[in-house]
This record gives sequence, C-alpha cells and structure tokens, in this order.
Amino acid sequence: EAQVTQNPRYLITVTGKKLTVTCSQNMNHEYMSWYRQDPGLGLRQIYYSMNVEVTDKGDVPEGYKVSRKEKRNFPLILESPSPNQTSLYFCASSLGAGLHTGELFFGEGSRLTVL
Amino acid sequence: SQQGEEDPQALSIQEGENATMNCSYKTSINNLQWYRQNSGRGLVHLILIRSNEREKHSGRLRVTLDTSKKSSSLLITASRAADTASYFCATVLLSGANNLFFGTGTRLTVIP
Repeated sequence: EAQVTQNPRYLITVTGKKLTVTCSQNMNHEYMSWYRQDPGLGLRQIYYSMNVEVTDKGDVPEGYKVSRKEKRNFPLILESPSPNQTSLYFCASSLGAGLHTGELFFGEGSRLTVL
Repeated sequence: SQQGEEDPQALSIQEGENATMNCSYKTSINNLQWYRQNSGRGLVHLILIRSNEREKHSGRLRVTLDTSKKSSSLLITASRAADTASYFCATVLLSGANNLFFGTGTRLTVIP
C-alpha cells in the first residue's frame, strides 16, 4: 500500500531532550516536506527536500533539522525541544521534484507535546 | 503572507444539502489544491486546478478558480455525514514550486 509513515504518532517529552520524528515513503517520491499544524495558523512548512542530499528551509525552520540521506526517508530532528514546538507535525511527499505537477501525500501526523 | 483565507471558518448543513467553501489568496499561482482533513488525521488531496483552468469536477466535488479575483470555491453536492471534516485550500506560487501555502480551513459539519 502506498503510504507515508511517521513515527512516533504521539510523544510527550521535556524541554531540551533531543528527539527525532521519522518519516518514510514507499512511493519513490522525489519531494518530501515537513509541516506543523497549530490552531488558527493552518499548516506551515518547516523544511523540504527536492531530492537526496538536497534540503532547504521552509517558513518556520528555527529549532529543527532535517536530513535526506536516502530517497525514502526524511527525519525531523529537534535538537533541544521547547514548549513552543508543541504541535501536530505532518510529513508529506510528492512524485516530482516540485509541486507544479502534483499533489502532496500526507502521513497520519505526529502529535508532540514538550513540557 | 501568501496564506489563503477560507470562508466561512465553520459551516453546518443538513445531509443532502450542498456545501460551498471559498478561498482567497494574495499572489499569482501556478495551481490551487483542495485538501480534506478528518479530525486529527493526515490531509487527503481532493482536487488540483491549474491557473489556466476555470472549473474542475471530481465526483460530487466542483472547484472553480477566478485568477482575476484571486479566489476559488469548493462545492460539495448532496453532502453526506461522512463529508464532515475540515477543508483546506493550498496554493503553489507561480514563482516557486517548493511549498504549498495552506489556509486555515473550513470546518464542515454535515448533520444526518
């Protein structure tokens, strides 16, 4: 089944404790992206990747890191989480290297709480 | 911000009625997409309309795009209780294909 898989789905952590949210897609997609969703703010892009070893900042990259060592995986790293990073996070992928030709396929989301 | 604005923020209708949601945006686009999100779940793509298209249909969905007014509408005909969800418009800018700019969504409730 074609899908984008995120883990963990739910996580409660404490300020400063490094964590990684994994994302994997099995559709051989070129483009991958991370979004955060907050009430009243919609979805905002954190980072994106147009191909292996190619990543770039989105609208709200502060406090996050990403890597794209393999085509299928795009982990989101919070080196020192803070309470303002409490949010619902979505990984998404698209077939092409950009979004002019296709839609995004989303994972089920990872709800992160930072105490 | 390019972020779209959906209108209304919330909509409640009876099953069988039509639901119309509107989206406005600020900057010239390559395409506009509509997504659906069930509570707390991942977003699901519904339809993509390109800037040179005016109307598109998919099943019970009808999307229109007016680039002169920088607006789009999503019509769901003969709504069902299962259509209850949040609906988001998202735009890809003409100047770049790296991001989908999402609006804040319309929360649709269909009452059986």
